[in-house]
Amino acid sequence: ELKVEQNPLFLSMQEGKNYTIYCNYSTTSDRLYWYRQDPGKSLESLFVLLSNGAVKQEGRLMASLDTKARLSTLHITAAVHDLSATYFCAVFSGGGADGLTFGKGTHLIIQP
Amino acid sequence: DSGVTQTPKHLITATGQRVTLRCSPRSGDLSVYWYQQSLDQGLQFLIQYYNGEERAKGNILERFSAQQFPDLHSELNLSSLELGDSALYFCASSVELETPQHFGDGTRLSIL
Repeated sequence: ELKVEQNPLFLSMQEGKNYTIYCNYSTTSDRLYWYRQDPGKSLESLFVLLSNGAVKQEGRLMASLDTKARLSTLHITAAVHDLSATYFCAVFSGGGADGLTFGKGTHLIIQP
Repeated sequence: DSGVTQTPKHLITATGQRVTLRCSPRSGDLSVYWYQQSLDQGLQFLIQYYNGEERAKGNILERFSAQQFPDLHSELNLSSLELGDSALYFCASSVELETPQHFGDGTRLSIL
């Protein structure tokens, strides 16, 4: 059974600080997705990482993928309050005929 | 706006009842996925349809069923509802298998 583990599950940080969210998964997969969810809202696609060594950046967020270590990271640089949300990583178990397996999510609070 | 439309947004009903949730995928998307989000279980994949055919099943209960119609919209039917079925139900769509999934705003189901 595919397992996706995120840590930390809860993170409170101050504006201006840097931090990293980690996502480990238990199967061989070269596709990993990061989503953002605001309270009571839908999931917004942030990044799609399609190969080993992939790195993508959007504003203060940067995501990377190491398929050999089965690890993805989401790095936050100089955090701002607007980045407060829950962040999920998700992986396909393979073969295409399957849905995404999500981690439990990292609830991020950025305090002014 | 993801382009995925879900109706209704909220649904309140009683135990033992049956409800139908509806999803219209983004224009051009052939694949539709259903997910359940609850505090206990997190985000769980339920079922996937591709171009009208069931493609994969996840943690879907036997009391639940779904279908995708020729116009590609999909319905999720939940019957013999229990208190534990209270959750946010998301529909997502994608162009092809393993391409990024775009999520609707969800249907919040409350069982009284």
